[in-house]
Amino acid sequence: AQKVTQAQTEISVVEKEDVTLDCVYETRDTTYYLFWYKQPPSGELVFLIRRNSFDEQNEISGRYSWNFQKSTSSFNFTITASQVVDSAVYFCALSEYASGGSYIPTFGRGTSLIVHP
Amino acid sequence: SQTIHQWPATLVQPVGSPLSLECTVEGTSNPNLYWYRQAAGRGLQLLFYSVGIGQISSEVPQNLSASRPQDRQFILSSKKLLLSDSGFYLCAWRGNYEQYFGPGTRLTVT
Repeated sequence: AQKVTQAQTEISVVEKEDVTLDCVYETRDTTYYLFWYKQPPSGELVFLIRRNSFDEQNEISGRYSWNFQKSTSSFNFTITASQVVDSAVYFCALSEYASGGSYIPTFGRGTSLIVHP
Repeated sequence: SQTIHQWPATLVQPVGSPLSLECTVEGTSNPNLYWYRQAAGRGLQLLFYSVGIGQISSEVPQNLSASRPQDRQFILSSKKLLLSDSGFYLCAWRGNYEQYFGPGTRLTVT
């Protein structure tokens, strides 16, 4: 069975600090997909990134970067020079390959990031 | 481009009343559709998912039901609401492998 752990319940930083959100996963499959979503105070979950299990390349998108390490089963998310607008709950998720195409993801419990001005 | 709609945005209903929440997707055909509930405390609970018209899979036994009468329409219903049904309801569709969520419906059962 798949499992996603986000050990950090809440992180509080001051604007311009760098912050890393941790995500550790468990799966028995060799083919799987990892995701990060952002949920701002408005409530709608926004898809940020997807990583395939066979692609360990790290990715950078502006102030966001993601570090995928299969050896430690981790998919961590770093925000550089945080801003108040980054305040949100961030979810990590894992989806295993599923015959029939259902692809039911497992979500972590989320990390609440508060960025103070 | 694809768009997902949910309505209503907020709803206050008395205990024992019926419920109908609607979700529609535009710009794609035969999407996988999902209903989630998020209670206080943030966790996402998958309620139902559908891989096609008339095909509904239930993840959690409860007094809710779902239907998919059309390819891009997904409805969440209840005949009699309970206090514990309060929460934030999110509909989603699956892209390549990731999910795209609607704006959500905040339901308060009084």
